[in-house]
Amino acid sequence: GIQVEQSPPDLILQEGANSTLRCNFSDSVNNLQWFHQNPWGQLINLFYIPSGTKQNGRLSATTVATERYSLLYISSSQTTDSGVYFCAVGGGADGLTFGKGTHLIIQP
Amino acid sequence: SQTIHQWPATLVQPVGSPLSLECTVEGTSNPNLYWYRQAAGRGLQLLFYSVGIGQISSEVPQNLSASRPQDRQFILSSKKLLLSDSGFYLCACGLGGETQYFGPGTRLLVL
Repeated sequence: GIQVEQSPPDLILQEGANSTLRCNFSDSVNNLQWFHQNPWGQLINLFYIPSGTKQNGRLSATTVATERYSLLYISSSQTTDSGVYFCAVGGGADGLTFGKGTHLIIQP
Repeated sequence: SQTIHQWPATLVQPVGSPLSLECTVEGTSNPNLYWYRQAAGRGLQLLFYSVGIGQISSEVPQNLSASRPQDRQFILSSKKLLLSDSGFYLCACGLGGETQYFGPGTRLLVL
């Protein structure tokens, strides 16, 4: 099956810093999503981005489908950005394959 | 937009006992429904998915089963729980293979 690798696995930053999270995948996909899992376990949709670039406030994402990677940018980090960020890929109705996530800690 | 409900929120069960977790969806019809499990706080694994009533596909062989008795109801069951069934179970809803939305999850601890 398709492989999804996320890097870095852990990231500790000071409040106000910028960060870039990376997701590499092993095959072409029709669906790529970024999620933020909050401390209560809820998975919050950030982006549906199988290709191209999107921005939402301080967050933006870029997927280069031909090179099989996606990047999530977080600017001016806040402590509420802490949590685990997941990249997940898939196609059709078969469900998503998740990476192992990036554990982000933003220190005040 | 769709809303996904899951219950119970938390559950502690003895080994060998049965299990029934329920997921219901509001705000959409004929969705694709999914059960995922997350162990040790990292990575989600797809367990089952359904494209319609009575249609269940399993991704991995395991001690669990799923059923979809109604269009917007998805149930995860087990006849006898194992210690390894402990984890965080998430139900998700998707339309046409695009964005999937997740419910709040059920934390299961098997003792």
